Amino acid sequence: NAGVTQTPKFQVLKTGQSMTLQCAQDMNHNSMYWYRQDPGMGLRLIYYSASEGTTDKGEVPNGYNVSRLNKREFSLRLESAAPSQTSVYFCASSAGKASGSGWTQYFGPGTRLLVL
Amino acid sequence: QKEVEQNSGPLSVPEGAIASLNCTYSDRGSQSFFWYRQYSGKSPELIMSIYSNGDKEDGRFTAQLNKASQYVSLLIRDSQPSDSATYLCAVSYNTNAGKSTFGDGTTLTVKP
Repeated sequence: NAGVTQTPKFQVLKTGQSMTLQCAQDMNHNSMYWYRQDPGMGLRLIYYSASEGTTDKGEVPNGYNVSRLNKREFSLRLESAAPSQTSVYFCASSAGKASGSGWTQYFGPGTRLLVL
Repeated sequence: QKEVEQNSGPLSVPEGAIASLNCTYSDRGSQSFFWYRQYSGKSPELIMSIYSNGDKEDGRFTAQLNKASQYVSLLIRDSQPSDSATYLCAVSYNTNAGKSTFGDGTTLTVKP
């Protein structure tokens, strides 16, 4: 099992450019999440998806859109990148059930994004 | 007030000592509590989860939860240099989404 995979690992964008961050999990998890992490700070939730076909805003959704393509894949799109979106982006997934380790989140390796 | 607050670091302990990491949360409805470890440049990974009041031990790690006081702590016994990392506290509701709110983390350095 690969767990949670993310592409790309690194990306440099110019202000105003768009891009999509891809995330996939092979653990048959119901819930998926996108976070951003700025230097010296914790994780801030951008969007999440409780199940295929549903998405909800998190703490910092402005400037982002998401698509839960199927149970495995959850993508994050920046329509018009801004320097304030320079960050490390983590995708995570969880089984989404209140049993055992169902609420544990498993993280991908991250995407380091620089917006100039 | 942040929803999840962790004691400000960095925290430095000598090898073999006990490291104590603390976390408080504001929402009394929180039901699940987690400690994640994050090495520099890496992604977070789960260390401990705890769901009911009391202590939970796993090897050198002990998580303590006190819902009445709204705090959760992590003790690391016999600290090793390999424990040097940032520790993130997270709390969540038992909803279908399973989403968590994270603290800003406490950076621990274990000196040989």
